[in-house]
Amino acid sequence: SQTIHQWPATLVQPVGSPLSLECTVEGTSNPNLYWYRQAAGRGLQLLFYSVGIGQISSEVPQNLSASRPQDRQFILSSKKLLLSDSGFYLCAWSAPGGSSYNEQFFGPGTRLTVL
Amino acid sequence: AQKITQTQPGMFVQEKEAVTLDCTYDTSDPSYGLFWYKQPSSGEMIFLIYQGSYDQQNATEGRYSLNFQKARKSANLVISASQLGDSAMYFCAMRDLTGKLIFGQGTTLQVKP
Repeated sequence: SQTIHQWPATLVQPVGSPLSLECTVEGTSNPNLYWYRQAAGRGLQLLFYSVGIGQISSEVPQNLSASRPQDRQFILSSKKLLLSDSGFYLCAWSAPGGSSYNEQFFGPGTRLTVL
Repeated sequence: AQKITQTQPGMFVQEKEAVTLDCTYDTSDPSYGLFWYKQPSSGEMIFLIYQGSYDQQNATEGRYSLNFQKARKSANLVISASQLGDSAMYFCAMRDLTGKLIFGQGTTLQVKP
């Protein structure tokens, strides 16, 4: 069976510090991978998605970046965090291909607070 | 542009009663998928139900059913026999041909004992 992991679960970082959030998927190959951010009490905003190693599409211009160094590893990074980067970050995966059915499975999330 | 609208920020329902959560969408794609997710206070996103744009019948999954009205571009979630554990935030989402999910703002449901 497939599982998706995210760490850390919670993170408190000062403004201007770097960020690295990691997401890994087990039990599947060549998944589509996604990073979302959720502000408190709000919906999910798609930040990045990837259909393969080294292939990253950015949805929202910002000071965050994403990388996919391995097939089932997706990393969200920042060189200098802003207060507005606080939120709940969710990683998700779906089966490869563009079928509109492909359900997305979400990880447990990382709650980031920037002070 | 594609868009999902959930107009109910918060809803209350009495335990054991049914509740309908509204969702309307806007897209020009002929093929799309509609999803409902549940997010309890723990933060995890739990998939509930899916409706494809070409599906002729409304989707059902246990106590969840999706009232799909394509002409009106609505995909309301109906929860029958509400339980206390149904208290959570509910998100409607649409998946386009590129695979991206577009989420609504969510509806917070509280089930009263």
